[in-house]
Amino acid sequence: NAGVTQTPKFRVLKTGQSMTLLCAQDMNHEYMYWYRQDPGMGLRLIHYSVGEGTTAKGEVPDGYNVSRLKKQNFLLGLESAAPSQTSVYFCASSYSKGGEAFFGQGTRLTVV
Amino acid sequence: SQKIEQNSEALNIQEGKTATLTCNYTNYSPAYLQWYRQDPGRGPVFLLLIRENEKEKRKERLKVTFDTTLKQSLFHITASQPADSATYLCALMDTGRRALTFGSGTRLQVQP
Repeated sequence: NAGVTQTPKFRVLKTGQSMTLLCAQDMNHEYMYWYRQDPGMGLRLIHYSVGEGTTAKGEVPDGYNVSRLKKQNFLLGLESAAPSQTSVYFCASSYSKGGEAFFGQGTRLTVV
Repeated sequence: SQKIEQNSEALNIQEGKTATLTCNYTNYSPAYLQWYRQDPGRGPVFLLLIRENEKEKRKERLKVTFDTTLKQSLFHITASQPADSATYLCALMDTGRRALTFGSGTRLQVQP
């Protein structure tokens, strides 16, 4: 089993460009999450999904959109990247609310 | 406001000693509290989960306590080893919420 896989691992964007981060899980989990991690600030929740076709806003959703068209995939989009979105992005999934979360290896995004 | 506080200063201990890390929270009513380990450049990995009605949980050399009166969780690693060096994150599931909220983590350094 691959667990949670994030694509890409690294990316450099220019301000104003758009991109999509892909998260795929092969554990048949209902819950999926996108977090960003910045130095000294821990993991902050961007958006999450409690099942296929559903999404909800987290703590820091502005500037991001998400989609969960298939149960195993959770996409995070940046429509117009800003330097403040430079961060490490982690996707996670869990079988149930409050259950053990499985994380991907992260995507390091730099916006210049 | 809601806060999860972990000691931002690194904890340095000698091999063989017990490491104790603290997680304090404010204005949460957690149904669960979890601890994760994160190594540099990698995603967090789940260690232990403790529920609001549990006082203590153990797993091999790890022990977690949860005091809802003090609003605090303690994470202990006994007989620590250099391989235990990492950042440890606490995370809680607030009652009524659907995603984990993370603290910023404490870095543990075990000296041989």
